[in-house]
Amino acid sequence: DAGVTQSPTHLIKTRGQQVTLRCSPKSGHDTVSWYQQALGQGPQFIFQYYEEEERQRGNFPDRFSGHQFPNYSSELNVNALLLGDSALYLCASSLEDRGQYFGPGTRLTVT
Amino acid sequence: AQSVTQPDIHITVSEGASLELRCNYSYGATPYLFWYVQSPGQGLQLLLKYFSGDTLVQGIKGFEAEFKRSQSSFNLRKPSVHWSDAAEYFCAVGASMEYGNKLVFGAGTILRVKS
Repeated sequence: DAGVTQSPTHLIKTRGQQVTLRCSPKSGHDTVSWYQQALGQGPQFIFQYYEEEERQRGNFPDRFSGHQFPNYSSELNVNALLLGDSALYLCASSLEDRGQYFGPGTRLTVT
Repeated sequence: AQSVTQPDIHITVSEGASLELRCNYSYGATPYLFWYVQSPGQGLQLLLKYFSGDTLVQGIKGFEAEFKRSQSSFNLRKPSVHWSDAAEYFCAVGASMEYGNKLVFGAGTILRVKS
């Protein structure tokens, strides 16, 4: 049973560029959440997708956007990258109220 | 609004000794509570979760946690620590699915195990 997968593993971008991160949920899960984890901190909730709609959003600017596809996979897009966007981006999938399962993350470095 | 406090940034224990990691939460209703473990450069692995029922929850790798509503706590315990348990541990609180069930994490506790 494949768990949550994310791609790419690492990414280096320049300030002002745009980036797309991808996530495939655990088999049978229909909800995808995205989190940002800065160095030395706990993960911060960005947003959650269910039935291809953004259901809930954390305190992140509109530069952060997402999408969920009919197969439940998801993308996180970040526009106009800032140095402060450097972080580990974690995707988590879930089914109803059964706990969120995390992928290995994408390490984004903005230079 | 939900919040989580993990009072200990670092904890060092000897291999074979018992472990307790503290977690206090703030939430207006019955919370969903979780403990996750993260090895350096890795994602988060779910150790255990509490939704309702028995307040003592068993998890993977020999961990357990006890929900104490009166103290707003959900402390993680292990009777005998192994060197492989060295990692960072995060406590998280979530709402029920009808409220979107986002997770709010504490700042984490780094566990060091000395031989």
